[in-house]
Amino acid sequence: EVQLVETGGTLIQPGGSLRLSCAVSGFIVSRNYMTWVRQAPGRRLEWVSDLYRDGATYYADYVKGRFTISRDSSKNTLYLQMNSLRVDDTAMYYCTREGFDSDDSRAYDIWGQGTMVTVSP
Amino acid sequence: DIVMTQSPDSVAVSLGERATINCKSSQTILNRSKNKNYLAWYQQKAGQPPKLLMYWTSTRESGVPDRFSGSGSGTDFTLTINNLQAEDVAVYYCQQYYEIPWTFGQGTKVEIK
Repeated sequence: EVQLVETGGTLIQPGGSLRLSCAVSGFIVSRNYMTWVRQAPGRRLEWVSDLYRDGATYYADYVKGRFTISRDSSKNTLYLQMNSLRVDDTAMYYCTREGFDSDDSRAYDIWGQGTMVTVSP
Repeated sequence: DIVMTQSPDSVAVSLGERATINCKSSQTILNRSKNKNYLAWYQQKAGQPPKLLMYWTSTRESGVPDRFSGSGSGTDFTLTINNLQAEDVAVYYCQQYYEIPWTFGQGTKVEIK
């Protein structure tokens, strides 16, 4: 069964650090394009970061220099290291996979349930 | 960045009727060489993650009922839900995956009248 399970979200003070994990089953993380998307309460979905099959990484401007996306092939897990957290980083963080059809992207076809990060004094 | 704007913010439709949601991008998301618009639609029910409904503007994801249809090109797109069912109550988001940063619309809430 294909499944993404995020963990690591918690209540944390501004300036703190946190690492989110996304345990993947049913496909191989390192052979796919993986993404973190977040959603603040009552707000729209917001792209955070991509990790491509070739190891290339991309970040939204509002997290660049503070967040790092990575993967552990031996654990088939995706990570998001979050440093210098701010109140406006408060959101549900979703791990998702970019699906492909005939080598062409068909957007995010698999989503985890999400893990909540609350940044508050 | 490509800005995605949806309208309306919410819509109330009677069971069995049609709901129409519009999505406009601030610049074209048409890949001319592939003749595809990199526009996706997601459905998010309360307390759940988003679910992919449609990609390449009008290709339904496996398992999505055919009462859902997508149309449009360039900068203007539409998601239509025919014969609205109770289980279609949700927030619907459009997303462009034409260029980074990938961006989403603000969402349209579909309710039963």
